[in-house]
Amino acid sequence: NAGVTQTPKFQVLKTGQSMTLQCAQDMNHEYMSWYRQDPGMGLRLIHYSVGAGITDQGEVPNGYNVSRSTTEDFPLRLLSAAPSQTSVYFCASWNVILGRDNEQFFGPGTRLTVL
Amino acid sequence: DAKTTQPPSMDCAEGRAANLPCNHSTISGNEYVYWYRQIHSQGPQYIIHGLKNNETNEMASLIITEDRKSSTLILPHATLRDTAVYYCIVRVWNRDDKIIFGKGTRLHILP
Repeated sequence: NAGVTQTPKFQVLKTGQSMTLQCAQDMNHEYMSWYRQDPGMGLRLIHYSVGAGITDQGEVPNGYNVSRSTTEDFPLRLLSAAPSQTSVYFCASWNVILGRDNEQFFGPGTRLTVL
Repeated sequence: DAKTTQPPSMDCAEGRAANLPCNHSTISGNEYVYWYRQIHSQGPQYIIHGLKNNETNEMASLIITEDRKSSTLILPHATLRDTAVYYCIVRVWNRDDKIIFGKGTRLHILP
């Protein structure tokens, strides 16, 4: 299994540009989420999904869109990039199985700079 | 989800046990305590979780107080590779499950 993969690893955008951060998992996990991490800060939840076709907002959803058309993929779209969105973005997936270890698996991150 | 309180940083000598505290005084009866860590620039890594009993695995031990209002993560023999930010999270199992991370504890292992 590749686990959770994210592309690209690095990206530089100009203010106002749009782009999509890709996230895929091959573990058949129901749950997926996107976090951002600013320097010296903890992770903040942007959006999450509890299954294909179902998404919801986290702590800091403004400026981002998500969709979940398949179990495997959970892309994050920046509609009009702003310097405040400069951050490291992590995607995660997991399953909820009562009585079992339910760890979250994280991708390696995408480092985004908005000029 | 209940909130957690952790010290912003801690030091521990290499080879000694690292004890990382976490307060979760508003935890509900069905909420689990989870610990993750994040080594510089990498994605967070799951360490251990528990409900009310103490837990141990190959990485660490988790001690939860009887009233469940606090817990301690123990790394029994800390190494330099354990230098990381450690996050304590409480969460409840439901359909709208989401995990929110705080700022964690930055653990420095001193040679």
